[in-house]
Parts: sequence; structure tokens; C-alpha cells
Amino acid sequence: ETGVTQTPRHLVMGMTNKKSLKCEQHLGHNAMYWYKQSAKKPLELMFVYSLEERVENNSVPSRFSPECPNSSHLFLHLHTLQPEDSALYLCASSQDREGSYNEQFFGPGTRLTVL
Amino acid sequence: AQKITQTQPGMFVQEKEAVTLDCTYDTSDPSYGLFWYKQPSSGEMIFLIYQGSYDQQNATEGRYSLNFQKARKSANLVISASQLGDSAMYFCAMREENYGQNFVFGPGTRLSVLP
Repeated sequence: ETGVTQTPRHLVMGMTNKKSLKCEQHLGHNAMYWYKQSAKKPLELMFVYSLEERVENNSVPSRFSPECPNSSHLFLHLHTLQPEDSALYLCASSQDREGSYNEQFFGPGTRLTVL
Repeated sequence: AQKITQTQPGMFVQEKEAVTLDCTYDTSDPSYGLFWYKQPSSGEMIFLIYQGSYDQQNATEGRYSLNFQKARKSANLVISASQLGDSAMYFCAMREENYGQNFVFGPGTRLSVLP
């Protein structure tokens, strides 16, 4: 496996279900991100983990719960979602160094549909 | 206020011709980085090119070049010799020193290359 992988690629769930999205990076990076991409809206940053510590949480509803057990893995736990949460969820990683701006490498995304 | 503006929701270009995708940004931070990403219909975001705010020369990567006009706060992407495979969404993004790991993305431009 190379780059950034995400599973599952597609997910359909009911509003009462609990599911988790998984992201794994094989690049040796020290920061990982979750983004939400809805139709006709800019990419929204949801969570950032740098050195396994959450750095930013942009007022994301509590029905989304991130987990970063180590620098290579990132999870997004979902429960009691709403239909408006249907979107493409993208994971990304980067190697962050102070004073430099390194590009993020993205996974293929999980297409989530909430019924 | 929008930090990244991409005024062209959609663009068409004839194969083998050059095309410019516009991006303007808003920041008071003297140190920042600008990025362009390509998103094909498969969903994965692909990094194309990077320009640092202190870089003296415009960035180039193969057929991609960035027309960086700092005073105007614009960072337009130029694609030379367009190919059918260039048809995709293109996103401009910025990362500011004072906002840590936070990437801000523009709304995107959909480029269609015509045969």
C-alpha cells in the first residue's frame, strides 16, 4: 500500500446507525486531516491531528468523533447522523515543519449517504 | 469573507491549447503558501503546484505554472497544452502561518477539455 488509503469507499447508513471511517497513511507524515466535501460547497476542514494530538476542531457537531491512535491511522466515528451529513469525506496527511508549507496528500475519499 | 475566491465555476478549453484558472486570496499574514489541487471524477485530490509568499519566481511543474502576483493577491494556474485527462475540478488553497495546519480551499473551477 502506498500513499493515503481510506475504507470504506462507499457507505450507506441509517440515522440511528454507528459506523467508522478509516484512514491510513504510508508516507511517514506527522499530521492527518479530515475534510467534508458537500455538493456545491468548498472543502470544509473538520479535524486536524498533528503528532497525534488534535490541533483544531472547527465546531464540528459531536455526532462526528475523531480518533488518532498513532501517526499513521485516523478514524472518524459516526453516530446519529443526519441526511445533510451525506458527503464525500476526505482524509489527508502532510509532513509539517515549522516555517514551511508542505502539501497535503489526499486519500480517495469515502462517499457517505445517510438515509 | 471568503479567503479564497475562484470566480470561474466552469471553463472550457480546446485540446492542446493553454488555459488559465483564476484564484485570488485574502490574507493579512505576510507568510503563507498557495496550492493548487486537481480533483478528477474519481474524487481523489491530487496536488499540482505550490507557491510560497516569499518565493521570488513563479512556480512551475511540467505543464503547470503559477502566475503569482503578490500585490494583487492572485495566484492563477496556467495549464499549457491541455489534454483530455485534464478535465476535472481544480481547487486553489492557502495555508497561513498564523493559522497553523489550517488549509482553506476555494470553491473550485470545473475544467472541461474539448477534443
